[in-house]
Formats: sequence, structure tokens, C-alpha cells
Amino acid sequence: GAGVSQSPSNKVTEKGKDVELRCDPISGHTALYWYRQSLGQGLEFLIYFQGNSAPDKSGLPSDRFSAERTGGSVSTLTIQRTQQEDSAVYLCASSPGPNSGELFFGEGSRLTVL
Amino acid sequence: EDQVTQSPEALRLQEGESSSLNCSYTVSGLRGLFWYRQDPGKGPEFLFTLYSAGEEKEKERLKATLTKKESFLHITAPKPEDSATYLCAVQAAVQGAQKLVFGQGTRLTINP
Repeated sequence: GAGVSQSPSNKVTEKGKDVELRCDPISGHTALYWYRQSLGQGLEFLIYFQGNSAPDKSGLPSDRFSAERTGGSVSTLTIQRTQQEDSAVYLCASSPGPNSGELFFGEGSRLTVL
Repeated sequence: EDQVTQSPEALRLQEGESSSLNCSYTVSGLRGLFWYRQDPGKGPEFLFTLYSAGEEKEKERLKATLTKKESFLHITAPKPEDSATYLCAVQAAVQGAQKLVFGQGTRLTINP
């Protein structure tokens, strides 16, 4: 069966450019998460979507970061005016619903900002 | 602020040598504690959920236990294929707090 799909798998960009990262969650999963993982580090929470509720944006590190989820399915994470410290692997996960800690992760989008 | 601390950062064992990984946590009311396994270049893969002190879960050579302050992941007679980074995470029992807070992970290497 289809798992969580992320694209692109790798993205190299120049400082100051905007980037968009896409996540296709598992069909029927209502919860969607974005995390960031820097080299050798744990997972840093960015944003959480659940159904039609207002998203939890408490982990977004600056106003250069934004995310949307269209039609309760596909999500896009946008980073404007990228900086070198934004270099990391961006992981998307979905789960069947709220209160479930069983997250299904994609393989991530590796972002390198030169 | 909810926090998760894992130790050791890295652990090397010989095949068959049993050991334990530690996860200490502080959380404003625990909804659940979760263990994940992450292979290089992959996203984390769910292993266990623990909800209350005294609870234990097992899967093959792995057993997870929970107290009010920490969780242990015991690995019995490990094999090289158990080599991975093991991540611990907590979810707070607070209205609207659905995010999982992860520790830094323990990188486990099993030598044949």
C-alpha cells in the first residue's frame, strides 16, 4: 500500500531563494505533521494539521516558514528567503486521527542551502 | 516545557550482547510515550506506545517499559539488523497538544 510520499527528495538552493516541499499523506489520515531534523539531531516539531481545525503552528521557527494543507490531504511547506541554517531534512508524517502517537513518516526532503 | 532526554547518545554492542536504552522525560501530564526506530536516510518507523507506569510492550528482541519519570528499551540478544537510531517521544495530555516531542535518539550499532 501507499505510504507517505514527499517531494523533492533532495533540493539544493541558493541563499535567499524560496523553496516548496510537498507531502502526500496516507489516504484517510486526518492528522498531518511536519518535523525538521538537522544532521545528527532529533526531530524538531514545526506544524500540525488535524481535519478542518486551525493548525498548530507553534513550532515554526520564523515568519519565513509557512504551510498549508489543501482539501484535507496534500500539504506544502514553504520557506521564503532561505538561509544556510535552514539546511536539514524535512519530514512529513500522517496519522489516522488526533491523539494517535503512531505517526507514519515519509522519507523526507533533504534541503541544502548554499 | 516538555522535554525528552535519551542516553547514551551512541552504543556499540557485540551480536548477542543484551543492553538497555534510557529515555527520561518531563511532561505536563503524559498521554503517551512512543518509541521509534530510524534507519539512515529513512523516516522514523513506529515501534511501541506506552500509556501508564508499569506498562510493558514487546516485539521480537525489543521490550519497552515505562515508569513515571523514564522509559527503557531493552534489547535482548541483538542482531546486526537491529542497528539503527532509536527515538523516544512523548505526547502531553493537554487539550489541543497533539505534537510529539522527540529526544535526540540513541545510535545503536551491533557488530557481528
